[in-house]
Amino acid sequence: RKEVEQDPGPFNVPEGATVAFNCTYSNSASQSFFWYRQDCRKEPKLLMSVYSSGNEDGRFTAQLNRASQYISLLIRDSKLSDSATYLCVVRASGNTGKLIFGQGTTLQVKP
Amino acid sequence: DTGVSQDPRHKITKRGQNVTFRCDPISEHNRLYWYRQTLGQGPEFLTYFQNEAQLEKSRLLSDRFSAERPKGSFSTLEIQRTEQGDSAMYLCASSLVGANLQETQYFGPGTRLLVL
Repeated sequence: RKEVEQDPGPFNVPEGATVAFNCTYSNSASQSFFWYRQDCRKEPKLLMSVYSSGNEDGRFTAQLNRASQYISLLIRDSKLSDSATYLCVVRASGNTGKLIFGQGTTLQVKP
Repeated sequence: DTGVSQDPRHKITKRGQNVTFRCDPISEHNRLYWYRQTLGQGPEFLTYFQNEAQLEKSRLLSDRFSAERPKGSFSTLEIQRTEQGDSAMYLCASSLVGANLQETQYFGPGTRLLVL
């Protein structure tokens, strides 16, 4: 079983749609969680950290359920520019900065 | 440009050759990471440094791979006797870790390696 699992998609949605991505992680001791965005043939870029109380940044909302070891990302009012791969990321437990990435979920927003 | 830089951006080599990649982190960042990403997968951790000390190495990092960060600034990743399975994007990231151990990793553009 992978340490971080995501549905690879692709998710094809029309502009303006609301879309949600889910992710599960296997290590209950994990402490830090993130969503990164990766455009085709580019490097990953931090989209947002995920906090236990849930957090929002404009059209993006991230939530964490520690009991279920589940992380989600909600994108409202999708834009064409949101088309990318969204990587669910967990920092490994212990005194390390190592990040563990999911496979990524591909989103294609169509006009 | 004050971001993470990597050189070369692309490398094509024949099987059995040695290759070396360079990463220049964001100035003053004390941690430097190497990851590898293959098509359709997320990046996988290879190794990381805090200043010049190599603190952790993945099982993925066979004895053909070696990384250095001699002065705590730039880093090199060398692959000896390359194999076709080494073909991937090699990503470098850097971060500034404070006393609370919080950090954000910033990635460079990567070096795309193709082994023929």
